[in-house]
Amino acid sequence: GAVVSQHPSWVICKSGTSVKIECRSLDFQATTMFWYRQFPKQSLMLMATSNEGSKATYEQGVEKDKFLINHASLTLSTLTVTSAHPEDSSFYICSARASEWGTDTQYFGPGTRLTVL
Amino acid sequence: KQEVTQIPAALSVPEGENLVLNCSFTDSAIYNLQWFRQDPGKGLTSLLLIQSSQREQTSGRLNASLDKSSGRSTLYIAASQPGDSATYLCALGGSARQLTFGSGTQLTVLP
Repeated sequence: GAVVSQHPSWVICKSGTSVKIECRSLDFQATTMFWYRQFPKQSLMLMATSNEGSKATYEQGVEKDKFLINHASLTLSTLTVTSAHPEDSSFYICSARASEWGTDTQYFGPGTRLTVL
Repeated sequence: KQEVTQIPAALSVPEGENLVLNCSFTDSAIYNLQWFRQDPGKGLTSLLLIQSSQREQTSGRLNASLDKSSGRSTLYIAASQPGDSATYLCALGGSARQLTFGSGTQLTVLP
């Protein structure tokens, strides 16, 4: 089946530093990847939609200069949290849409837990 | 803006019971609806996907229905097992394939 990986699975950083999270589709090509954020006891909130080779589309209220998204290839999208602050601590999950299979199913990564001290 | 509500927020049942999880949504102009399972601290596992033109989907002990006119979906779990304990999320797919998630139902199946 389709597998999406994320790296790292967890990261702790100091306030003011930047953190990069990778999302990879391992056995399929994904022209579209999505980034979600999940705070404790809450559901997933879509942050941005990432299309390969073009600029990401951000949801209202998500700062594009703070959450930099790059989708340089059909199997890799990265999310960089710049100048992280404690309020950015959250569970970040990516998903990839298996475009080559003509399906709308999104396959989700295992998530990255970010803790900003 | 699509709003998705899941009731109940938490549910505890003894092993072997059949149960129903509910999901309601405000905008019926959806592309599809998916039910996911999320284990603590983990990512999501897709359980069932119902296209907008479909009424239900079945996989093993799971059956999901979709009624766009009333803005409702249900996930039926038959003969529940302790391994079914998790948070169940429904998500509505929009035209750009983005998903809007409900807040989830935390299910505990007691042995």
